[in-house]
Amino acid sequence: EIQMTQSPSTMSASVGDRVTITCRASLSISSWLAWYQHKPGKAPKLLIYQASSLESGVPSRFSGSGSGTEFTLTISSLQPDDFATYYCQQYSTYHRTFGQGTKVEIK
Amino acid sequence: EVQLLESGGGLVQPGGSLRLSCAASGFTFNNFAMSWVRQAPGKGLEWVSAISGRGSTPYYADFLTGRFTISRDNSMNTLYLQMNSLRAEDTAIYYCVKDHKSLQYFDSWGQGTLVTVSS
Repeated sequence: EIQMTQSPSTMSASVGDRVTITCRASLSISSWLAWYQHKPGKAPKLLIYQASSLESGVPSRFSGSGSGTEFTLTISSLQPDDFATYYCQQYSTYHRTFGQGTKVEIK
Repeated sequence: EVQLLESGGGLVQPGGSLRLSCAASGFTFNNFAMSWVRQAPGKGLEWVSAISGRGSTPYYADFLTGRFTISRDNSMNTLYLQMNSLRAEDTAIYYCVKDHKSLQYFDSWGQGTLVTVSS
């Protein structure tokens, strides 16, 4: 099983801030990585796939980068609707695994 | 528009069984692999099981140790998860999810159904 580790686990930020979340894989997953946004009581929402491809309909302030074992999700200017928990997920193997999540809170 | 509607969750005693269902619409169901992903209270997301579009190949997370069975009825556009020998640690919201392509990322999620295992 490939382990995914996100940092930080929690962060406080203000509207307009640039936010960066890191995800590390326990072994190389090439670019087989996705990012999701999850709000309480809602279904998770796909943001990024293939490490850097923006899902249709997702605002361009979201971007992803990285390959191999190190990846980042960046929100260029945090908006009120962006306060949520973010998860990375690898799909290099059929046993898909998620990071533990990064909760973005209001400062 | 893709819609995934889970049902079948509830309260069950340890050692008991439940069968979850997921009614799918808005896409050609038999063209896509489907999965179940769960979230235990206060925890993150965890992939549980997947099944190929034709239903011929199931995949399971190692921790299940044979207790769960995934299946699908393509004539009814419905996905199932039969859960046996349930344990307290199986308590979670169970999401029905659509694979973008077989065994890749998940492009559509249901709202989830809560399974509580408790005496």
